[in-house]
Amino acid sequence: GDSVTQMEGPVTLSEEAFLTINCTYTATGYPSLFWYVQYPGEGLQLLLKATKADDKGSNKGFEATYRKETTSFHLEKGSVQVSDSAVYFCALSGEGSGGYQKVTFGTGTKLQVIP
Amino acid sequence: GAGVSQTPSNKVTEKGKYVELRCDPISGHTALYWYRQSLGQGPEFLIYFQGTGAADDSGLPNDRFFAVRPEGSVSTLKIQRTERGDSAVYLCASSLNRDNEQFFGPGTRLTVL
Repeated sequence: GDSVTQMEGPVTLSEEAFLTINCTYTATGYPSLFWYVQYPGEGLQLLLKATKADDKGSNKGFEATYRKETTSFHLEKGSVQVSDSAVYFCALSGEGSGGYQKVTFGTGTKLQVIP
Repeated sequence: GAGVSQTPSNKVTEKGKYVELRCDPISGHTALYWYRQSLGQGPEFLIYFQGTGAADDSGLPNDRFFAVRPEGSVSTLKIQRTERGDSAVYLCASSLNRDNEQFFGPGTRLTVL
């Protein structure tokens, strides 16, 4: 079945450092790919998405490019802020029984940004 | 507008007891999903409703777990004879229809003693 593998955390960075969180996936067909973020005490929020190969999703300074050849969707940000401290989940959606978009999540990567 | 809400936010129960967890989706959203997030893990799919019917319940771990959505809006996840291994955060999400972005609620943290 579908699966997502992302780098283990926690990741600790100084403010303004460059961030990369690796994510690779296994799926049949052509899934859509997502990054979700979970801030402390809050629910999951969609951060960005890409629906086909070579698409780049971006939001709030974060970017990720759908790489079909390497089955990857790595999250990057050029300069992190303390407010980016959160848990980041890579996810994919493929067709579930019932014809809906079934979302499969990775295990999450905790990011801590220190001033 | 209001997002997805879940009640209670925290539930502590004893092994063997019955619990109900409630989800109020965004108004007008026809699709509703339940996930379970164990400590240090990502959310795992439990069940998907389209309208009132459970279109995919393949993620329910066993027959102690059951969910309903009788009027196509609010949903209740029911767990019978709870076990310590059921302790987790239970997340609900809804989407306008089955092809759209899922919006998540804050979750219910269930602790089984």
